Amino acid sequence: AQKVTQAQTEISVVEKEDVTLDCVYETRDTTYYLFWYKQPPSGELVFLIRRNSFDEQNEISGRYSWNFQKSTSSFNFTITASQVVDSAVYFCALVPASGQGAQKLVFGQGTRLTINP
Amino acid sequence: NAGVTQTPKFQVLKTGQSMTLQCAQDMNHEYMSWYRQDPGMGLRLIHYSVGAGITDQGEVPNGYNVSRSTTEDFPLRLLSAAPSQTSVYFCASSYLLPLTGGWNTEAFFGQGTRLTVV
Repeated sequence: AQKVTQAQTEISVVEKEDVTLDCVYETRDTTYYLFWYKQPPSGELVFLIRRNSFDEQNEISGRYSWNFQKSTSSFNFTITASQVVDSAVYFCALVPASGQGAQKLVFGQGTRLTINP
Repeated sequence: NAGVTQTPKFQVLKTGQSMTLQCAQDMNHEYMSWYRQDPGMGLRLIHYSVGAGITDQGEVPNGYNVSRSTTEDFPLRLLSAAPSQTSVYFCASSYLLPLTGGWNTEAFFGQGTRLTVV
């Protein structure tokens, strides 16, 4: 069975601080995908990143970076120099590969991030 | 492109009523899914489809029906609404493309439907 755990229910930081959101996953599949989605207060789900299990390179996109470690089954997300606009609920999700599309995403419980001015 | 369109955005139902949540996508994606979002539980898969005429159950299918007569549409039917079905519902479509060493996939979500059952 697949499982995604986001142990941090809520995080509150002051603007310009760095913040890391943790994501730990469980799967028996040898290939899989990991995702991060952002849900701002307006409610829509915004795609941030996809990582294939065979690609362990970390990724940086502006103030966002992702640390994928297969050895610890973790896919953590760091926001550098946080801004108020980063306030949202963030979801980590997993889908097994083996020829499947993202029609069966398994989501973590989400982390509500609040950036205070 | 509109992407994934869900209607209605808000709905209030009385216990026992039935209704259909509509979902349409214009990206010609093979795969479509319905999720519900409840506080503290993330999103959970209700039903999904891997193509027209093919549907299957997800994690929480009880009380819901789906059908997929066309590639574009994937309606979700509540047969007899219950207060436990109060939730935010998201429809998603996704694709699957081969690439070197594996596959490429991504899910696109609708704006959500906030349903309250009283």
